[in-house]
Amino acid sequence: TQLLEQSPQFLSIQEGENLTVYCNSSSVFSSLQWYRQEPGEGPVLLVTVVTGGEVKKLKRLTFQFGDARKDSSLHITAAQPGDTGLYLCAGAFDWTGNQFYFGTGTSLTVIP
Amino acid sequence: DAGVIQSPRHEVTEMGQEVTLRCKPISGHDYLFWYRQTMMRGLELLIYFNNNVPIDDSGMPEDRFSAKMPNASFSTLKIQPSEPRDSAVYFCASTLRTTNTGELFFGEGSRLTVL
Repeated sequence: TQLLEQSPQFLSIQEGENLTVYCNSSSVFSSLQWYRQEPGEGPVLLVTVVTGGEVKKLKRLTFQFGDARKDSSLHITAAQPGDTGLYLCAGAFDWTGNQFYFGTGTSLTVIP
Repeated sequence: DAGVIQSPRHEVTEMGQEVTLRCKPISGHDYLFWYRQTMMRGLELLIYFNNNVPIDDSGMPEDRFSAKMPNASFSTLKIQPSEPRDSAVYFCASTLRTTNTGELFFGEGSRLTVL
């Protein structure tokens, strides 16, 4: 059983469309991160959210941490082919534990 | 500044052989992590070190796996003997804990295929 479940697992959309990816858990996290991984490379951090209800924007990407700190969403507006990749959420229970548990991932393909 | 460096990038070996994966973390980082990524199980934490000391190895699948960090700039993950089910991409990551973002910096990974 995965601690963090992401949905959808696969997503293929046309350039210019909007999309939302979800990261859900029954556990409460002290912080949650989103990473993007491109083929043949390691994941790269996009954002960290730490407060319930927090919303962060990174250009066309909007990240939200659920009020109860159990879930998160990533919304992409007007997707571009450069957004293609594997999106991973990762949750930590506390800063001292230093263990980030990764979600199952969402593989996004943006078709030109 | 150089990122996390892993070697080899690709390794193909036969069942029963010993495999050693290497990692050089970012200079000054005090935490080092080993992850394994597969389609079925995603990214799994195997073990992590703080100041060269193993802190939690509960993710290491079995005794065939071992990891060492003899100094702040080098770590190894060894599989002996290797089995086909060990085929995966192994990532090393490092971080500097004094920041509260906890950003993990990953290497490019070592793709292991055990025949």
